[in-house]
Amino acid sequence: KQEVTQIPAALSVPEGENLVLNCSFTDSAIYNLQWFRQDPGKGLTSLLLIQSSQREQTSGRLNASLDKSSGRSTLYIAASQPGDSATYLCAVRGGATNKLIFGTGTLLAVQP
Amino acid sequence: NAGVTQTPKFRILKIGQSMTLQCAQDMNHNYMYWYRQDPGMGLKLIYYSVGAGITDKGEVPNGYNVSRSTTEDFPLRLELAAPSQTSVYFCASSSSQERSYNQPQHFGDGTRLSIL
Repeated sequence: KQEVTQIPAALSVPEGENLVLNCSFTDSAIYNLQWFRQDPGKGLTSLLLIQSSQREQTSGRLNASLDKSSGRSTLYIAASQPGDSATYLCAVRGGATNKLIFGTGTLLAVQP
Repeated sequence: NAGVTQTPKFRILKIGQSMTLQCAQDMNHNYMYWYRQDPGMGLKLIYYSVGAGITDKGEVPNGYNVSRSTTEDFPLRLELAAPSQTSVYFCASSSSQERSYNQPQHFGDGTRLSIL
């Protein structure tokens, strides 16, 4: 059974810092891995989707990497801003169910 | 620019009551999903649909029912509300075009449901 874990559960950093969020999964037979952002009281916004054949994806200050063999992905946020404060969720698609399996998220607070 | 629309945004139910959570999308997506999110947890799939008239169970389907009579709408029904169903419910949709498994899912803003 696919299990997705995110570490740390919460993170607080001063504005301007570069930071890394971690995601690990137990079944490497995935189609893709997706990073989402969730603001309080809101739905999920897709940030980056990395296909299984890719190693990384970039969008602005965000860079996501994928290492299927080790079951790990990282989300790198450069020059963090208070507006980046949110919960970040990763989800993998594939394996036995071919459905999105979510991690429990990392709550990020960027202090001004 | 609506995307995925969920109604209502908030609801309080008494144990044993029933209700329908509405979900509509205007992106002509064939794939639609219902998830629940409990505090401090990730999302768990309740039901999904790959097109009008086709639905299937997800990870946590007990206590829920769905129907898909049109491409646009995918309502979720709770027949006998129980306290364990207190949660935030999210509807999502995605395209069924080529390599559909690599299409991102688009989410609504959620329905916050409390069963008392």
